[in-house]
Amino acid sequence: GEDVEQSLFLSVREGDSSVINCTYTDSSSTYLYWYKQEPGAGLQLLTYIFSNMDMKQDQRLTVLLNKKDKHLSLRIADTQTGDSAIYFCAEINRDSNYQLIWGAGTKLIIKP
Amino acid sequence: DAGVTQSPTHLIKTRGQHVTLRCSPISGHKSVSWYQQVLGQGPQFIFQYYEKEERGRGNFPDRFSARQFPNYSSELNVNALLLGDSALYLCASSLAAGSYEQYFGPGTRLTVT
Repeated sequence: GEDVEQSLFLSVREGDSSVINCTYTDSSSTYLYWYKQEPGAGLQLLTYIFSNMDMKQDQRLTVLLNKKDKHLSLRIADTQTGDSAIYFCAEINRDSNYQLIWGAGTKLIIKP
Repeated sequence: DAGVTQSPTHLIKTRGQHVTLRCSPISGHKSVSWYQQVLGQGPQFIFQYYEKEERGRGNFPDRFSARQFPNYSSELNVNALLLGDSALYLCASSLAAGSYEQYFGPGTRLTVT
């Protein structure tokens, strides 16, 4: 079945760039997503990329997709304390009837 | 415009009891999906409903059921609660069943003792 994997933790200094990585196994993925979850809160859709794209940029966020290696990354420029959260990678495809398949999440820790 | 709303925010139940969770989608959205998120894990898909019909079901026992009303709001019901049902239950709203953008509510935290 489909599988999405992420590192559990990432620690960066305030002001540096954060790069959160994700790998997936489903070659029929249609869209790939990044969601943010702050403590005690629901999931906030940050950005998503269609599988025929290599890159998408939105303000401080840059998503890179390497379809050959099934690797997705999220770069957050000038990381701030407000970026502290858990970041989830997810994918969707027609074969899964458009159900989101999720990674376990990467906790981003910001050091002062 | 209001986002996705869920009620209640928190709930404590004992084993064997029944629970009903409620979700109202974003205005204009006709599809609702339910996810279970156990602490420390990513969400797991439970159900998707569109136009009051079930469009998808995840790998959950029959104790879990749901329905969607004419106003597109939805209820998730869980019978015979087990300790392992303790989780954050998330509702996601989208325009239609095949929509690629899903927007989540704040969730209902269910604790089973």
